[in-house]
Amino acid sequence: EVQLVESGGGLVKPGGSLRLSCAASGFTFSNAWMSWVRQAPGKGLEWVGRIKSNTDGGTADFAAPVKGRFTISRDDSKNTLYLQMNSLKTEDTAVYYCTASSGWYRDFDYWGQGTLVPVSS
Amino acid sequence: QTVVTQEPSLTVSPGGTVTLTCASSTGAVTSGYYPNWFQQKPGQAPRALIYSTSNKHSWTPARFSGSLLGGKAALTLSGVQPEDEAEYYCLLFQGGARVFGGGTKLTVL
Repeated sequence: EVQLVESGGGLVKPGGSLRLSCAASGFTFSNAWMSWVRQAPGKGLEWVGRIKSNTDGGTADFAAPVKGRFTISRDDSKNTLYLQMNSLKTEDTAVYYCTASSGWYRDFDYWGQGTLVPVSS
Repeated sequence: QTVVTQEPSLTVSPGGTVTLTCASSTGAVTSGYYPNWFQQKPGQAPRALIYSTSNKHSWTPARFSGSLLGGKAALTLSGVQPEDEAEYYCLLFQGGARVFGGGTKLTVL
């Protein structure tokens, strides 16, 4: 059974930093393209970014609102995905979900339960 | 920045059929956008329903189907059940980026 468990969320002040983790199990993590999606309270889903598998180059792409502030990394030895968030803004307040792919153009087949990141002074 | 547009809300009677659509500000949605559809119920994480326009996951009920319709991606629910009341999101692949629609709140009444 595929499991994705996010952690690391919590209250952070504007301008601050936070690192989220996503522990994966039940599939071959090293082969999967992994993504982060967020959802502001009462709002819709917003794609944050994606990292390819290392065999496919390991590069990441980001949505415009977070480009230059957020980075995504992965540790295949620990089956863990990370989202480093810097220079946080109040509009980054959201539940952050990690997702896993199981094939081409299937970046969001599996979802974690999410972790809440409130950004407030 | 591409904008993906969905109906904000739709209402359907139990047992009825409803079609949700997904349009792109860049023009007609084609299979090359690999449309995905997701269902989200209150307090839950989203769940994938459809990928690459019309392909179902192993867990997707047979009453859900995806297609292209009039330049848009479409999700059709046939024989709607009360448990289908939820928010539905489409997503389009645009090069290295992925763009979600604003969501459609489906009410079963």
